[in-house]
Amino acid sequence: DAGVIQSPRHEVTEMGQEVTLRCKPISGHDYLFWYRQTMMRGLELLIYFNNNVPIDDSGMPEDRFSAKMPNASFSTLKIQPSEPRDSAVYFCASSLGLLQETQYFGPGTRLLVL
Amino acid sequence: AQKITQTQPGMFVQEKEAVTLDCTYDTSDPSYGLFWYKQPSSGEMIFLIYQGSYDQQNATEGRYSLNFQKARKSANLVISASQLGDSAMYFCAMREGNTGFQKLVFGTGTRLLVSP
Repeated sequence: DAGVIQSPRHEVTEMGQEVTLRCKPISGHDYLFWYRQTMMRGLELLIYFNNNVPIDDSGMPEDRFSAKMPNASFSTLKIQPSEPRDSAVYFCASSLGLLQETQYFGPGTRLLVL
Repeated sequence: AQKITQTQPGMFVQEKEAVTLDCTYDTSDPSYGLFWYKQPSSGEMIFLIYQGSYDQQNATEGRYSLNFQKARKSANLVISASQLGDSAMYFCAMREGNTGFQKLVFGTGTRLLVSP
């Protein structure tokens, strides 16, 4: 079975550019999560969806960040405009959503904003 | 206040020895789940083991076991017979509440180095 798929795996961009990160969750999983990992702040939950609906976006740092889930098999995280402090590894994860169920992570997108 | 505390920034262990990675948590919710993830240098997050707050027995998965002490609010990961491939960052995480609440909170991690 395919795991969570993220693209691109690496992204280098210049400050001010728009960045779009993509995620395909595990088929059948109805929860999708976006995390950010930095040395300073560790792993932080940015937003999560249930059945394509955003449930908690309290972790989204500011209006420059937006996330969408147009269907059960695809989600995007967009940063516009990007800033150097957005440099991090962005993970997507999915789960079946029961209390006992595990969140399975994608390989991550390593973003560098110059 | 920190919800998940991992007090060991780094741990060293020799191959074939057992090692315990510490994790304490803070919650007033009677229903919660505790997870351990491994992050090797390649960067991916790999699920290792899960313990539910109502589980009567400590969770085990192969060489991994979770020493769950509810009264002390600790959920230490024990790795038996360490292997060189166990060298990685290890994160403890907690999910509180019922099925409708899915937020995972992670600790700061412990870097484990296994030496030959």
